[in-house]
Parts: sequence; structure tokens; C-alpha cells
Amino acid sequence: RKEVEQDPGPFNVPEGATVAFNCTYSNSASQSFFWYRQDCRKEPKLLMSVYSSGNEDGRFTAQLNRASQYISLLIRDSKLSDSATYLCVVNRGSNTGRRALTFGSGTRLQVQP
Amino acid sequence: DTAVSQTPKYLVTQMGNDKSIKCEQNLGHDTMYWYKQDSKKFLKIMFSYNNKELIINETVPNRFSPKSPDKAHLNLHINSLELGDSAVYFCASTFGGVNEAFFGQGTRLTVV
Repeated sequence: RKEVEQDPGPFNVPEGATVAFNCTYSNSASQSFFWYRQDCRKEPKLLMSVYSSGNEDGRFTAQLNRASQYISLLIRDSKLSDSATYLCVVNRGSNTGRRALTFGSGTRLQVQP
Repeated sequence: DTAVSQTPKYLVTQMGNDKSIKCEQNLGHDTMYWYKQDSKKFLKIMFSYNNKELIINETVPNRFSPKSPDKAHLNLHINSLELGDSAVYFCASTFGGVNEAFFGQGTRLTVV
């Protein structure tokens, strides 16, 4: 089983649509969770951290379910500029120094006019 | 002021050559990484250094040798390059390994 698994995508949605991405992780000791965004031929950049209580940043809402080891990202009112690959990211473990961010394979979103 | 900078941005070289990629961060982070992104766009960790000490070494051929002269630098040397080494290599840094990671712009390596 992969450490972090995501929806395969691609997702093609019209502007203004709501789209949801899902992700599951296998290491129950993981403590930090993130969504990163990667534009074509660019480096990944943090979109938002994911907290146990769920959190929102404008049109973006992230949820974490530790019991199910499941993370989600909801994008409302999609914009053309949201077109990118969204990476689910989990820290690997709890031992100091052996932590590393593990990336899912990414879900590609294409927002169409 | 670039937070994580890696050089070169592009590298085209012949099979069998030896090459190095350099990475520097000015964020005061204590943990640095090398990731490889292959043609399928999957980002996979290769190495992690914490305070100049090698912490994570994934199943990477020993032709790849990281070197961390200090906390702010992590270089990657590759011997006897092979076609399959063609990929984008990203350097990243974080504090404590649990917080947001900042990435360099990537080095697009093409082996011909």
C-alpha cells in the first residue's frame, strides 16, 4: 500500500464549480498534514495545512479524519487560476529527525471557461 | 531574496558522466531534503539531512551521494549517470521535519 494515496484525476470542471479531492495515508503515527499545489514545471508550494478540527482559507476547506486516516480538500467557486496539480502531503513519522514529508502522486485539476 | 536556491536549473549531460547539483537555504532550517520527480510526476524522497547528519536514505543507487557541509547547504553528486536518472530533482528545507517545506525551483536533469 502506498504511504499516501490520492484520487487519480484529472478533474475537468467548469469555472464556478465545486470540486473535492480525497487522500488516504497509511502511517497512523503521522502528525502533520498539508495540501500543496504544483503548477506545470514549477516547484510545489504550500496551499494550506490541515488541522484536526478542519480549516478554511477563503474558497478552500481542508478536513482531516484521523480515525479513517483520510484527508480532503474542497475548492468552491473554481477559478481558471486554480488549474494545477494538488498534492496531499503527510509527515512520515514521529521520531525526531526521521520525519520527512511524503507526497501523494497528485491530482490534476483543469478548470475550464 | 530566494529562500531555497538550487543550481543549475537545467542540466543536460551524457551517460557515464558525473555531475553535481547544489542547494542552499537561507531560512535557518535544520532539515534539508532531496526529492526526485519522475516523468509520471511522482515526488519521491531520496535523502534527508538534519543538522548535517544523514537521517533518511531511501533505496537510492549508491551512485547518488549527498553532502551537507553545513546546515544551510545540501549538495547532490551523481556518478556514472544513466538514462533513467533523467528527472527533476528538488531540494527542500523545513524546520524540525514537521512544518511547511520550502522547495527550490528544481533541476531538470536530462541524460542523453
